[in-house]
Amino acid sequence: DQQVKQNSPSLSVQEGRISILNCDYTNSMFDYFLWYKKYPAEGPTFLISISSIKDKNEDGRFTVFLNKSAKHLSLHIVPSQPGDSAVYFCAAIPGGSQGNLIFGKGTKLSVKP
Amino acid sequence: DTGVSQDPRHKITKRGQNVTFRCDPISEHNRLYWYRQTLGQGPEFLTYFQNEAQLEKSRLLSDRFSAERPKGSFSTLEIQRTEQGDSAMYLCASSLEVGETQYFGPGTRLLVL
Repeated sequence: DQQVKQNSPSLSVQEGRISILNCDYTNSMFDYFLWYKKYPAEGPTFLISISSIKDKNEDGRFTVFLNKSAKHLSLHIVPSQPGDSAVYFCAAIPGGSQGNLIFGKGTKLSVKP
Repeated sequence: DTGVSQDPRHKITKRGQNVTFRCDPISEHNRLYWYRQTLGQGPEFLTYFQNEAQLEKSRLLSDRFSAERPKGSFSTLEIQRTEQGDSAMYLCASSLEVGETQYFGPGTRLLVL
């Protein structure tokens, strides 16, 4: 049973516009969420994270929003750039765990010039 | 800081053979994780080490898999009697401590023929 769900396998956005990547989770015991970006033939690269006690975290062009009541988080990229084209993974850490990440299946973002 | 490195980057083997992968974490990172990623899926947790101690193993880690981190520095993941279903990307990550951000290596792509 998938505890972290990324229901959109792909997303295409025009350069300069906003990219919104969505993630839903089922386990209310998750207390930390992360977004990773992955290029082909490379390992995932950490982008941004958010604790469950917050509802927003911002880092440059990247903002993550957390809606605990809806068990939903989203990653906003503004403005989108062609170099942002990659697969984006949402990941969560259960509270009280030893830190092993539970990943979604990923969303492939394509930013067109 | 040279990041997490993994060797080899690619491995092709015949079914039934044994393979061993190596991971060198970021120096001074006490935590080391192994994940496996198959096509169309996010990375899945296999096992992790706190220094030289292996503290948790996923149900995905069958008896044919063994991991070590002999001196609390580099780690090896061995797969005995490989099967075609073992074909995947094997990812290593390290973090300073539990709850800290995990940084991933480039992965070892295994193909079992």
